[in-house]
Amino acid sequence: KAGVTQTPRYLIKTRGQQVTLSCSPISGHRSVSWYQQTPGQGLQFLFEYFSETQRNKGNFPGRFSGRQFSNSRSEMNVSTLELGDSALYLCASSLRDLAQGYTFGSGTRLTVV
Amino acid sequence: GDSVTQMEGPVTLSEEAFLTINCTYTATGYPSLFWYVQYPGEGLQLLLKATKADDKGSNKGFEATYRKETTSFHLEKGSVQVSDSAVYFCALRQAGTALIFGKGTTLSVSS
Repeated sequence: KAGVTQTPRYLIKTRGQQVTLSCSPISGHRSVSWYQQTPGQGLQFLFEYFSETQRNKGNFPGRFSGRQFSNSRSEMNVSTLELGDSALYLCASSLRDLAQGYTFGSGTRLTVV
Repeated sequence: GDSVTQMEGPVTLSEEAFLTINCTYTATGYPSLFWYVQYPGEGLQLLLKATKADDKGSNKGFEATYRKETTSFHLEKGSVQVSDSAVYFCALRQAGTALIFGKGTTLSVSS
């Protein structure tokens, strides 16, 4: 079956702009989570959605937002981009079962210049 | 809050050497534990998991045992290959919370 699909793979934006990243989960997975990965901070949790509702939220400023649609696809948006937002953004989908791990997409590499 | 601590890297080994990457966790309750691997330029792949105390997860020659008494989940492999070079992440998940990762350990294997 198809894996987690993230688009686009690479993105270059200018400071102050906004960006929207997309994630299509594995069919049947209703939970989608987003992570930011940087060399200095490692993997940091952004937010988690389940059935269109935000279930958990990490410690990021309000410039970072997300949503989930009825087909479980998810988007995250970053407004007023800063140089420090340059990172690999990873999306993961999962079943609700605690015993299951997450399946990750290949990520979107965002560079802010 | 819950947390995962991994040994600092990088870990540099010769092919066929024995590998251990230490991982300890702090958590209330009974989390599920995972090891993920990330190859250059890719996302994370689930390597193995364990859902309760004394469970042993295994995959591709890698093993880790859920030790509740020492709150540890150390990753081991008897004979590493060059193709095992990657970053390894230990993680935990509890009911109602997101997956929490350690900082990652870079493994470099030379022939």
